[in-house]
Amino acid sequence: QVQLQESGPGLVKPSETLSLTCTVSGGSVSSGSYYWSWIRQPPGKGLEWIGYIYYSGSTNYTPSLKSRVTISVDTSRNKFSLKLSSVTAADTAVYYCARVRVGATITLDFWGRGTLVTVSS
Amino acid sequence: DIQMAQSPSSLSASVGDRVTITCRASQSISSYLNWYQQKPGKAPRLLIYAASSLQSGVPSRFSGSGSETDFTLTVSSVQPEDFATYYCQQTYSTPHTFGGGTRVEIK
Repeated sequence: QVQLQESGPGLVKPSETLSLTCTVSGGSVSSGSYYWSWIRQPPGKGLEWIGYIYYSGSTNYTPSLKSRVTISVDTSRNKFSLKLSSVTAADTAVYYCARVRVGATITLDFWGRGTLVTVSS
Repeated sequence: DIQMAQSPSSLSASVGDRVTITCRASQSISSYLNWYQQKPGKAPRLLIYAASSLQSGVPSRFSGSGSETDFTLTVSSVQPEDFATYYCQQTYSTPHTFGGGTRVEIK
């Protein structure tokens, strides 16, 4: 079955850019049946949907982060990535990547384990 | 954005109890409602999709119901492994917002 694994720096300085990659195995990011998403969770708090990307490069972002976020896909490496610019302490969170199953409904059916990113100088 | 309000925010239950969690959307979302379970230090796990469809591999003691704005997740007989936090999520329109979560604790 499909597996997703997040990777990237665990510590980012304020005002810099957070960069994470999600490596997909057991499935293809080029599959037309799925989108690929990022979600985050600040320590001790709830889940926040960041956005998603389709293999074609089409994206959709949450309005509150839209000016700072970029999600991209690398079909040749079967990966997709998240960049969040001008980070502050409020961006400290566990970041999850997930597969979005689309069809009659839309669900996050497989998730990575998550990676904690701390914003601190 | 569509706001998702879960209640209660936490509850205590004994093994074998029937547990019900509600989720209310700020506008109609048809049946575009999912439920996830999250245990400490773990990623969320899909339980229910399209308001009432059981994800493969999820025990049948979990069930979902509702449509439009009001939804319910029920655990018919809560087991020790069910103590966790539960989140609803709407996927009717972007951003695909989550509820604030319901923590189910052991009484």
